[in-house]
Amino acid sequence: AQSVTQPDIHITVSEGASLELRCNYSYGATPYLFWYVQSPGQGLQLLLKYFSGDTLVQGIKGFEAEFKRSQSSFNLRKPSVHWSDAAEYFCAVGAYGATNKLIFGTGTLLAVQP
Amino acid sequence: NAGVMQNPRHLVRRRGQEARLRCSPMKGHSHVYWYRQLPEEGLKFMVYLQKENIIDESGMPKERFSAEFPKEGPSILRIQQVVRGDSAAYFCASSPRSLTGEAYGYTFGSGTRLTVV
Repeated sequence: AQSVTQPDIHITVSEGASLELRCNYSYGATPYLFWYVQSPGQGLQLLLKYFSGDTLVQGIKGFEAEFKRSQSSFNLRKPSVHWSDAAEYFCAVGAYGATNKLIFGTGTLLAVQP
Repeated sequence: NAGVMQNPRHLVRRRGQEARLRCSPMKGHSHVYWYRQLPEEGLKFMVYLQKENIIDESGMPKERFSAEFPKEGPSILRIQQVVRGDSAAYFCASSPRSLTGEAYGYTFGSGTRLTVV
């Protein structure tokens, strides 16, 4: 069965510091992988997605993620965090097929210190 | 071009009442997905619908929950006889087509936050 693990529940970084949020997935074939961001009381906004090809994916707001098949990981990175990046981040995996449903991780809550 | 529209944004119901949540997909999208987010959890898939068809309802509770996406009008998620445990944020998403990778990364609405008192 597909699953997604986000091992870090809370992360605090200083503004201007680099960021890496971890995501590990379990899936038998090449997965479709996504990162979403959710601000308090809001819906989810897609940051980036990986389907195939280049394993380093660029997204919006200066985020990028790297697909590593050998480690079953899809970690999200940003070289310099801004205070407005404080939010909850969700990694998700999707399976090609009839249902297109996404399996979400439990999320990582990012706090940014001034 | 409006995004996925959900209403109401907030809904309060007493135990035993019915809750009806509405979702209007993005223009041109014929596939709708409902997800539930319990407090301090990630989103869990509930149901996937196309116009007039339920494609996958594997995440729907067996009782009290139903969903529809009629030929005309929004998709409706209906919860009968609500209980405290139904309190959650319910998100709808839409996509233009299925069976392709491009259908993923679909757009979510802002959600309906249901509180059962």
